[in-house]
Amino acid sequence: EAGVTQFPSHSVIEKGQTVTLRCDPISGHDNLYWYRRVMGKEIKFLLHFVKESKQDESGMPNNRFLAERTGGTYSTLKVQPAELEDSGVYFCASSQTPHTGSLSYEQYFGPGTRLTVT
Amino acid sequence: DAKTTQPPSMDCAEGRAANLPCNHSTISGNEYVYWYRQIHSQGPQYIIHGLKNNETNEMASLIITEDRKSSTLILPHATLRDTAVYYCIVRLDSGGYQKVTFGTGTKLQVIP
Repeated sequence: EAGVTQFPSHSVIEKGQTVTLRCDPISGHDNLYWYRRVMGKEIKFLLHFVKESKQDESGMPNNRFLAERTGGTYSTLKVQPAELEDSGVYFCASSQTPHTGSLSYEQYFGPGTRLTVT
Repeated sequence: DAKTTQPPSMDCAEGRAANLPCNHSTISGNEYVYWYRQIHSQGPQYIIHGLKNNETNEMASLIITEDRKSSTLILPHATLRDTAVYYCIVRLDSGGYQKVTFGTGTKLQVIP
């Protein structure tokens, strides 16, 4: 079974440009999460999709970030316009939806996209 | 979610058991203890979790004290590939809609 995949693995862009990151979750996983680690800081949650709906977007830093998950499959995270402080590694994770009364299923993380804004 | 305290770094000889401690003195009764790790240049990886009983899987064992204020992750025979940052996380489980809140973790260096 394929794991969570992310594209591209690396991206270098100039300040003010636009970048779109893509995440393909594990097939059948309704839950999709975005996280990021900026230089020297902890990994931080950005948002959570359940199928195509945004369940929690409390971690999105500002309106330069736009996440979509049309059709409830893959997701994109667009940064427009990019700023220097957006540099970091962006991780995507996915999980199944647990049955009522059971524990949550664990989140499987992708390898991340390293974004460098110059 | 309750906060956790971990040592910033630890060393372990290859082949020996690695015991990674975590304090979570403010944990509440319905919060679970989770462990993740991040190997360099990879995404975080789930290891194990538990509520109050000790747990074991193919990767590790989790020992939770009776008062649940601390826990220890045990890698029974550490290998060089276990060199990573290990995160102890306390979180609720309510229908699976739980983001993971990472702290600073413990950087484990396995030494040949």
